[in-house]
Amino acid sequence: GENVEQHPSTLSVQEGDSAVIKCTYSDSASNYFPWYKQELGKRPQLIIDIRSNVGEKKDQRIAVTLNKTAKHFSLHITETQPEDSAVYFCAARGGTSGTYKYIFGTGTRLKVLA
Amino acid sequence: ETGVTQSPTHLIKTRGQQVTLRCSSQSGHNTVSWYQQALGQGPQFIFQYYREEENGRGNFPPRFSGLQFPNYSSELNVNALELDDSALYLCASSPGLAGVYEQYFGPGTRLTVT
Repeated sequence: GENVEQHPSTLSVQEGDSAVIKCTYSDSASNYFPWYKQELGKRPQLIIDIRSNVGEKKDQRIAVTLNKTAKHFSLHITETQPEDSAVYFCAARGGTSGTYKYIFGTGTRLKVLA
Repeated sequence: ETGVTQSPTHLIKTRGQQVTLRCSSQSGHNTVSWYQQALGQGPQFIFQYYREEENGRGNFPPRFSGLQFPNYSSELNVNALELDDSALYLCASSPGLAGVYEQYFGPGTRLTVT
């Protein structure tokens, strides 16, 4: 079945450094790729998303890149801050109307060390 | 703070029982998706409702069923509860088909099956 692999499972960086999280999806029909941040005990919140007709998207310190050929997309956080510490999930949406499926990755626990 | 609400917050049930979880979508949203998030895992897509009709389903057995009402609120019903059903159940609403529009998650219902 469809799946999304996410790496690494944990990531520690020094404050101010960059963090990169990578995901690979299996369903070639996937066309929407959101990234969520989930702090402990809180709901997931969308931080950035990208659609299959775009290769890269940036929003201040956060960027996402998509390589459709390789079925690979990545989250880049620059100038990390302690408040970036959280669990990050990638997801891929595939299917067509009536058969949509969202597949989430297993999460990356990011710790930004002050 | 998003407008998606869920009830109850916590629930304890016994194996074999049935449970109903409720989700009120944000005003103006006609799409609700349900997810199961086990401890330390990513959300698993259960199904999505768009304008009162199921519009996609993940790999969950038929004992997981749902409903969306004319006001676009939604219920998740789980029959014959199993221990592995213990998880955080999240609903997310969007103003149209999620994937075209951003999803907003509710705070979740934590279900414990003993």
